[in-house]
This record gives sequence, structure tokens and C-alpha cells, in this order.
Amino acid sequence: DTAVSQTPKYLVTQMGNDKSIKCEQNLGHDTMYWYKQDSKKFLKIMFSYNNKELIINETVPNRFSPKSPDKAHLNLHINSLELGDSAVYFCASSQYPREETQYFGPGTRLLVL
Amino acid sequence: AQTVTQSQPEMSVQEAETVTLSCTYDTSESDYYLFWYKQPPSRQMILVIRQEAYKQQNATENRFSVNFQKAAKSFSLKISDSQLGDAAMYFCAFSMEYGNKLVFGAGTILRVKS
Repeated sequence: DTAVSQTPKYLVTQMGNDKSIKCEQNLGHDTMYWYKQDSKKFLKIMFSYNNKELIINETVPNRFSPKSPDKAHLNLHINSLELGDSAVYFCASSQYPREETQYFGPGTRLLVL
Repeated sequence: AQTVTQSQPEMSVQEAETVTLSCTYDTSESDYYLFWYKQPPSRQMILVIRQEAYKQQNATENRFSVNFQKAAKSFSLKISDSQLGDAAMYFCAFSMEYGNKLVFGAGTILRVKS
């Protein structure tokens, strides 16, 4: 069974559209994250949720809205997509604060045309 | 703010040889964690090894080991007996204790020659 899964794996869309990426983990972790990997492969934290509560919001445009319906799920909704949003988005989870190791999903490659 | 620097954009190693990837970091904290993640062309982020700052002993995982120098804020990864499957992008990452996020370096592309 996949520990951290994301859907879809690929997403191609037009500028101005709204899209969502879903993430689920079956590790029993209570903390989930979204990271963005840009075209130069640089990885940066976007959001962190602990027990469905937002912990970190790293100055991400408010067009990005994470939603955590329960501890096992963290979805990312993006409004009014822009060309600069093209990237790979990774979901991760950990059992914070007892365990700092984060386990990553397979990533979602988003291409905005 | 914490920063992580990987000064080698690209490295090459011959199959079966040993290679060392460098990483330095900057922090004023005394308790933290350091990680090496591997990202093959499949783009999956795979944990290679982790090190707790309070542990003086260097972490090892099979062919992978680290040289952790806390005073120098250095955390290098040594890969022994390199295999073709080791070819990937390697990221060094830092996390404060209770920090709740990973700070990544820019990555090092490792090429393995047969």
C-alpha cells in the first residue's frame, strides 16, 4: 500500500482556471505538508497542518488554499492559475513532534499554459 | 533563518567507487535534524539517511554514511560501492526540533558511470 498518495500525478490546464490536488496518507501521522518544487528543482515549504490546524503558511499567495478534512487528508486548491504556478507539488507527512522525518508523496506535476 | 548550502551542482562517480556529497548549513539552534533525500528521475523523494544533532555518532544506512561536524555545521553524505541505481538528485535538508518544516539545499545531481 502506498504510504502517501497524491492525485492527480499530472495536471495540464489553462491560465485562469481553478484546480485541486488531493493528498492522502495511511501512516497514521498527524502532520501534513505541501512543498513546491520549481523549475530549478528548488524545494520550499508552502503549508503545514497539524491535526487539521494550519501551522505554517509560508507567504503563499492567497490563491492557494489548503484544506484538511481530517488528519489523513490535505488537499490543495489553487484559484486563478498563473504561468508561474507551473511546478511539481509534493505532499508529505510526519508524526510531529515525536518524529521529524517527513515522508513524501509521488508529486503532482502542474503545467499551466 | 536557517539556510542549507550544497556547493556541488553536479558530481560523477564510477560504478563501485566512493563519492562524497557536501552540505553545510547555518543555524543558531543546538537541537535539530539533518536529512539526505534522493530524487531519481521518477521524481519520488526518498529518505536516504537522517542525523539527530544531539548524537555524536555519525548515522549509517548500508552503503550510505554521513560525516556530521556540528561545530563546522557540515553534513556530508558518503556513498560507497556506487551503483547505477544511485544516480539521482540528492537534497540535503534541515529541520529544527519542533520546527515543523524542512529547509532544503539546492541539490546535487549524481551521475554514475558504468
